[in-house]
Amino acid sequence: GESVGLHLPTLSVQEGDNSIINCAYSNSASDYFIWYKQESGKGPQFIIDIRSNMDKRQGQRVTVLLNKTVKHLSLQIAATQPGDSAVYFCAETHTGGFKTIFGAGTRLFVKA
Amino acid sequence: DTAVSQTPKYLVTQMGNDKSIKCEQNLGHDTMYWYKQDSKKFLKIMFSYNNKELIINETVPNRFSPKSPDKAHLNLHINSLELGDSAVYFCASSQDVQGGNEKLFFGSGTQLSVL
Repeated sequence: GESVGLHLPTLSVQEGDNSIINCAYSNSASDYFIWYKQESGKGPQFIIDIRSNMDKRQGQRVTVLLNKTVKHLSLQIAATQPGDSAVYFCAETHTGGFKTIFGAGTRLFVKA
Repeated sequence: DTAVSQTPKYLVTQMGNDKSIKCEQNLGHDTMYWYKQDSKKFLKIMFSYNNKELIINETVPNRFSPKSPDKAHLNLHINSLELGDSAVYFCASSQDVQGGNEKLFFGSGTQLSVL
């Protein structure tokens, strides 16, 4: 998600549409980036990751894009489903580091 | 079997009290963490432990004292609780950070409410 203001950024999409969640990271030394999904009442759960030697990685229905030049990360969810409704966090760290820093989160609402 | 389990799930207490949260992971991971999530969902790292040794203490007040009796457990004791300590506390683990396995596995959280 994007780190903005006082409120959790929200993205509302129609079921079946594609979703794109954006994130700006802060540390130029970070070389490992992860997207996590947090459903209500649960802990964050790993979705997909990417290392800095790549600019795109695909999973099942999800794709992560990395633009190191502008320190930007995005998560694309294809054919969004109601079960995708959650808060999504981007996170950054460096290889061998013990500190993963989380972005502010984006809440995704999927309308049936 | 729950991979990372923490207890209790809910904790309601008065200001000034001392409380503990327990965490256990059965994944065989080397590294464990405590994160704090505030009401705006912002997740902030508090501590990292690797093989029972403290690696990261992210300027957390001394009232918070983590303890790792073994690699599978990381408990969090909080003295003299304050209103601002109200949050959801998440325990997490990762397999082998130094080997490049930094992916975090989280527990389901402990919602602490200080009255």
